[in-house]
Order: sequence, then C-alpha cells, then structure tokens
Amino acid sequence: DAKTTQPNSMESNEEEPVHLPCNHSTISGTDYIHWYRQLPSQGPEYVIHGLTSNVNNRMASLAIAEDRKSSTLILHRATLRDAAVYYCILSPSSGNTPLVFGKGTRLSVIA
Amino acid sequence: KAGVTQTPRYLIKTRGQQVTLSCSPISGHRSVSWYQQTPGQGLQFLFEYFSETQRNKGNFPGRFSGRQFSNSRSEMNVSTLELGDSALYLCASSLPPSGGKNEQFFGPGTRLTVL
Repeated sequence: DAKTTQPNSMESNEEEPVHLPCNHSTISGTDYIHWYRQLPSQGPEYVIHGLTSNVNNRMASLAIAEDRKSSTLILHRATLRDAAVYYCILSPSSGNTPLVFGKGTRLSVIA
Repeated sequence: KAGVTQTPRYLIKTRGQQVTLSCSPISGHRSVSWYQQTPGQGLQFLFEYFSETQRNKGNFPGRFSGRQFSNSRSEMNVSTLELGDSALYLCASSLPPSGGKNEQFFGPGTRLTVL
C-alpha cells in the first residue's frame, strides 16, 4: 500500500488559514488522494478528495503538487469546531481496496 | 437523509463472552466496511461487505466475523472476547464499493469495553 506522511500535530489560531501537509512520494498515477477528519468522540468524516487537479468544496480546498508527491489540505478560516485529527489517505482507482488510515495530524485551534 | 447508525453505542462485556454489533448504512448504500479503533493501533480495517459478499478482509483473527443482509444492514460478531478487543468499532457505508474516488460515510461507532 502507498504510504503517506503527516506531521503529528499542528496548531492554529482561530479565523486564520490552516495548511495541513501530506507527503506521498510513492503515489502511483491512479491513486486518489483523500482527506478525512475525526472530531473528538465521533467517527471519521469525509472532507475532500482529488486526483490531479486542485479541488474546492464547502469544507476545504485540496492543493496537489504537480508531481503528485505531496498535497495540502487548506482550511480557509479555522474555527474551534475544526479541531480534529486529519487523515490523508491514498486510494487506488482500481477500487477493491479499503481505506488505510495512518496516525494523521492532530489540529488544535486556539481562540 | 439519515446517516449511518450503529447499535448499541456502548457495550460492556467480560472476557470469553461474544458480542454482536449492528450497522445500518445510509439508504441506498450497498457497501459496508468495519473498522476497529484503539489508542495504540489507530484505525484498522476489519472487513468490507458489498451485496452480501465479503470483498475484503483485514488482518484480524477468525474470532472477528461479519455478514450483510439483503437490505444492506450489516452485523459484526466477536467471539471469545479478550481484553485487547476493547475498542471503538466503526462502520462506514458507501454507494458503490469503497476504493478509488468513492467517499465513505462513517457512523458514530460502538464503544466496546471488555472486563
């Protein structure tokens, strides 16, 4: 399975943008990049995914490097409710492969 | 649309007993995956069912089993419980099978404590 590397923890001030990095140097050409987050005492929640182009949705933006060996999840204005563990996951487009969660990045948001 | 529901939310059992956990996927979703989450090992994949057939299985002993019914509801069973089985058990559903670009929707989990 292709692996991802994320910082263990990050801290942000409320209402500031947050850039959460993820390295995936062994990504294959057909792997999708997924981001999930897990708020305290809840199940994981889908955030965003992409293949090659940058993606935006109501929750966040995903910036994918041109060589696809890294990506960045961008929260445009962090709120206290964004404090969670964020997981970056690769998922082969061929399907039939379950999500493999790493340790993720624990994001703390300071008021 | 209702989300993924899991029952019960909390469960306390003793070593040697067995337990059955239930998951109702989002209406129309045919794939159900199960995960175990512990502080030490994080989120680990148990198995996935699609159209009543097991598609994938994680690296867990045979004491862990599951099934899916024709209405896509799923159950997982753990027999001969051990202390190390104490964990949050999460269920996730998706419209087609998981993988690729398909997002999964997770339930709140069942917190199992084995004494």
